[in-house]
Amino acid sequence: DAGITQSPRHKVTETGTPVTLRCHQTENHRYMYWYRQDPGHGLRLIHYSYGVKDTDKGEVSDGYSVSRSKTEDFLLTLESATSSQTSVYFCAISAGQPNTEAFFGQGTRLTVV
Amino acid sequence: GENVEQHPSTLSVQEGDSAVIKCTYSDSASNYFPWYKQELGKRPQLIIDIRSNVGEKKDQRIAVTLNKTAKHFSLHITETQPEDSAVYFCAASGSGANNLFFGTGTRLTVIP
Repeated sequence: DAGITQSPRHKVTETGTPVTLRCHQTENHRYMYWYRQDPGHGLRLIHYSYGVKDTDKGEVSDGYSVSRSKTEDFLLTLESATSSQTSVYFCAISAGQPNTEAFFGQGTRLTVV
Repeated sequence: GENVEQHPSTLSVQEGDSAVIKCTYSDSASNYFPWYKQELGKRPQLIIDIRSNVGEKKDQRIAVTLNKTAKHFSLHITETQPEDSAVYFCAASGSGANNLFFGTGTRLTVIP
C-alpha cells in the first residue's frame, strides 16, 4: 500500500465547532486530494493540491478550507461543522504525471452532532 | 466539469456468472478511466484502468472496454466469486490537475 495516513480515523464533534483532518504521505507525490463519501453520491472532490501552497476547489468545497505547507501534509478544515458534513472523508495522492493512479488513505469517519 | 453516471446501483449474480457495470461521462477531453473496488469499511483500491488510446484492456477475470465516440466505458467480471462482492466505482479524468470524477458506485453481490 502507498504510504498515506489519515488522522484521526474517527471523530465525533458538535455543530459549530472547528475540525481539522490530516493527511500525511511518504511518497513525495505532487497531487493530494480530499474527497467525501456519502451513500448515493459516490466520492466527491472537496479540494485538491498540486503543490506546496497550491490548492484549488473541487465540486463540493463550500464550508471547507485546506492548507498544504509541506509536500507530505494536506489538512482539511471545517471552520464551523454542520450536520450535513457528517461523512466519511478520504484523502488521496497521485504522482501527477498525466493520468496516473490515485491511492487512497484509510478514511476518516466524521460525525457532527 | 465532468459528470460520470454509473449503472446499475446494485447487482446480484450467481457465483460463476458474469457481471457488467456501465458508466458514461460527459467531458470529451477525459482520457483516463480507472475502476476502483471498495470492500466494506475499507479504502477504494484500483483494480484496472484504461486510457483513451486503447479500446479494451484485460487482467485475468476483469476487463474494461471504452467507446470514446459514445463516451461510455464498462467493467466486465467473468467467473465471479464471492470475494468479488464489493462496491465498484468508475471514474474519469483528463483535464486540469489530474482530478478524478467518480460515478455513484455499484454494489455487487455474488451469491454462492
